[in-house]
Amino acid sequence: GEDVEQSLFLSVREGDSSVINCTYTDSSSTYLYWYKQEPGAGLQLLTYIFSNMDMKQDQRLTVLLNKKDKHLSLRIADTQTGDSAIYFCADGNMLTFGGGTRLMVKP
Amino acid sequence: DADVTQTPRNRITKTGKRIMLECSQTKGHDRMYWYRQDPGLGLRLIYYSFDVKDINKGEISDGYSVSRQAQAKFSLSLESAIPNQTALYFCATGTSGSYEQYFGPGTRLTVT
Repeated sequence: GEDVEQSLFLSVREGDSSVINCTYTDSSSTYLYWYKQEPGAGLQLLTYIFSNMDMKQDQRLTVLLNKKDKHLSLRIADTQTGDSAIYFCADGNMLTFGGGTRLMVKP
Repeated sequence: DADVTQTPRNRITKTGKRIMLECSQTKGHDRMYWYRQDPGLGLRLIYYSFDVKDINKGEISDGYSVSRQAQAKFSLSLESAIPNQTALYFCATGTSGSYEQYFGPGTRLTVT
């Protein structure tokens, strides 16, 4: 079955850029997604990218897609303490999720 | 008011008990999903439904059953709860025109 993997933890200082990485195995997906989960809450869609795109920018967020290596990344510019959360990448029509990366932003 | 609601938000139950988790949505979406979240494992799909008469098993359906009572309601049952079903359970909705999903706030279930 589909496999989506992420590193578990990332710590950055406020104002720095954060880069969260994800690898996946299913090359047939039309979309790939990034979701954000704040403490005690459900997941919220942060951004997504079409599989025929290499990059998508949305304000402080930049998504890079390397289809050859099946690698997806989320860059958060000027990371703020409010960005502290768990970030999930998701792939496939049934949204197969990675295990989540916990981002901690230190003031 | 929240678009996707789940009840209860927290539940502690004993091994062997039957328990039902409920999900309601006011988004008018045709698709509904149940996931469980375990630390480090992300979300895993339990069951999904594309309309009222459609029920499909997900990755980890064993030990669970579902009922789609109406377009707006999708309930998840544990017929005989066991401790390894202790997890955070999320309901989500979506439409046939988009793969984006909208998540409820989650139900934290503890089986002792």
